[in-house]
Amino acid sequence: EAGVAQSPRYKIIEKRQSVAFWCNPISGHATLYWHQQILGQGPKLLIQFQNNGVVDDSQLPKDRFSAERLKGVDSTLKIQPAKLEDSAVYLCATDQYFGPGTRLTVT
Amino acid sequence: GEDVEQSLFLSVREGDSSVINCTYTDSSSTYLYWYKQEPGAGLQLLTYIFSNMDMKQDQRLTVLLNKKDKHLSLRIADTQTGDSAIYFCAESIPSSASKIIFGSGTRLSIRP
Repeated sequence: EAGVAQSPRYKIIEKRQSVAFWCNPISGHATLYWHQQILGQGPKLLIQFQNNGVVDDSQLPKDRFSAERLKGVDSTLKIQPAKLEDSAVYLCATDQYFGPGTRLTVT
Repeated sequence: GEDVEQSLFLSVREGDSSVINCTYTDSSSTYLYWYKQEPGAGLQLLTYIFSNMDMKQDQRLTVLLNKKDKHLSLRIADTQTGDSAIYFCAESIPSSASKIIFGSGTRLSIRP
């Protein structure tokens, strides 16, 4: 977890609401990933950035999920509107190091 | 295709060795990783091996790679209660801009 901060750590929202997650890695890491980890499963890559650019977003549900990376450092992931099946832990990682994650519960 | 498979559960006696196995499908993998996840925590990188290596040892951890069979294993010597966690195998796919593909994890439980 060293060097990758995420906020908030926990979030509970109702379906159809919007939510945003933040990732603050230490600078110097060109690659940044957002993964979704549903309970009982391994992390699934949602989006991969190389500096400011998107390298892979093939598994990002683009009708409701969006992400951006600011100045090649911090990143945000947004869900609008949320569905029940979005309940998961959202993990940010740089290279092979992961943040603690944001646990999202959609009711 | 890109797929990483692991058995779901492993139970070992305290003090014994644990061996967690993983198979992957993409022969172009450059790095293979083992992560540990304790309840409610993020993923902790335990160790990794480059694809041109057969073995890597780091204290109680030994990683074995059989590239021909696309099989990776993690051996934990002298397993302790603190080793209880879910262990994820992952591969790095250079053909997909180095994205990392994870297995579904092996839950290791330690019995006294």
